[in-house]
Amino acid sequence: QSALTQPASVSGSPGQSITISCTGISSDVGVYDYVSWYQQHPGKAPKLMIYDVTNRPSGVSSRFSGSKSGNTASLTISGLQSEDEADYYCSTYTTRGTILIFGGGTRLTVL
Amino acid sequence: QLQLQESGPGLMKPSETLSLTCTVSGASISSGSYYCAWIRQPPGKGLEWIGTFYYSGSTYYNASLKSRVTMSKDTSKNQFSLKLSSVTAADTALYYCATVYRQRYFDYWGQGTLVTVSS
Repeated sequence: QSALTQPASVSGSPGQSITISCTGISSDVGVYDYVSWYQQHPGKAPKLMIYDVTNRPSGVSSRFSGSKSGNTASLTISGLQSEDEADYYCSTYTTRGTILIFGGGTRLTVL
Repeated sequence: QLQLQESGPGLMKPSETLSLTCTVSGASISSGSYYCAWIRQPPGKGLEWIGTFYYSGSTYYNASLKSRVTMSKDTSKNQFSLKLSSVTAADTALYYCATVYRQRYFDYWGQGTLVTVSS
């Protein structure tokens, strides 16, 4: 059981928008603006897509955006493209004891 | 551009001590600007943070692994290292090293090295 809860899978058609949620508790997502999101294609290392809830690293498409409300963070991908099909993980700092935790991951399928 | 490359034994037997290295290129770890984290991913499963090594020597470990983990650095080789003792089949995973920014996010990742524990 992962520390952060993500849906196991989401899907969307090309051009549509999808949102992946990441639910924690008041000692992590709820109190720190340190949520990050990672994209992982099969056989590849994870890639940082969003950091500190809303910030995009240089080179990441503006189609990717992040937000947070209470204990839940979200990653939104607009204008879905086939290359967006991948696994997505959220992560955050926590005071629970493990310091850094991940969600269980969400598989995005582009129909 | 910072690059990280993990290296390890590949196949191990239960009860042995796993030793992995992370070689950094594109910058000197002596600068003190980079903190190294180790993350693992069992086959077909999600990511698990193992720990973070600060250049100052401070370490932060996942509570579930703390009793078996040691992290260190070798400045002369521009490398970070991970040791995990008393491995079992549950430690079979793809092990990644990554730089971590102030315990907030992982910005640069290596390609990972697969470690299989089997008798």
